[in-house]
Amino acid sequence: ETGVTQTPRHLVMGMTNKKSLKCEQHLGHNAMYWYKQSAKKPLELMFVYNFKEQTENNSVPSRFSPECPNSSHLFLHLHTLQPEDSALYLCASSQRGGRIAGELFFGEGSRLTVL
Amino acid sequence: AQTVTQSQPEMSVQEAETVTLSCTYDTSESDYYLFWYKQPPSRQMILVIRQEAYKQQNATENRFSVNFQKAAKSFSLKISDSQLGDAAMYFCAYPTSGTYKYIFGTGTRLKVLA
Repeated sequence: ETGVTQTPRHLVMGMTNKKSLKCEQHLGHNAMYWYKQSAKKPLELMFVYNFKEQTENNSVPSRFSPECPNSSHLFLHLHTLQPEDSALYLCASSQRGGRIAGELFFGEGSRLTVL
Repeated sequence: AQTVTQSQPEMSVQEAETVTLSCTYDTSESDYYLFWYKQPPSRQMILVIRQEAYKQQNATENRFSVNFQKAAKSFSLKISDSQLGDAAMYFCAYPTSGTYKYIFGTGTRLKVLA
């Protein structure tokens, strides 16, 4: 069993749909992340949660809405997306942050296609 | 600004041969970590190796080693005795101190030829 699990693995949605991506980590980590991975671009950090508190919102459009109900679960709610939002969305977790950064543990990603 | 640059979009290596992937970065910090991550096709990204900037000795993990040149801000990954399973995207990453921001390069796609 992977330490970070993402569902669904694949999602196709229209621009008017509302859907959610889910991430769960079984590693006891205190920080969770959403990254967007597009072809030929660096990974884009979207959101960071540390102990359930959002510590980073990297100028992400409001059509992406994160939710972190506890340290083990992270959601990304999607609403009225655009075709350019099609990408692989990666969830990650880490045990340490702040002065010394710990290793990131990634899920397998959710491949999103917006029609 | 802190940046990470991988100038090789794609590399190829013959099985059992050695290949070096390049990474340069820019930072004003003196104490930091650097990471190489591997992302196999349709599989999750995993840590390959990490380097602590205050350590002069280059990190080594089995067939993977780094050439860390702090003054030049260079952090290359050497893969020895390349195997078919090494085929993947490789990302160089730098976590900024005091934050949770990890800055990633654009990646290098490594092909291993049988």
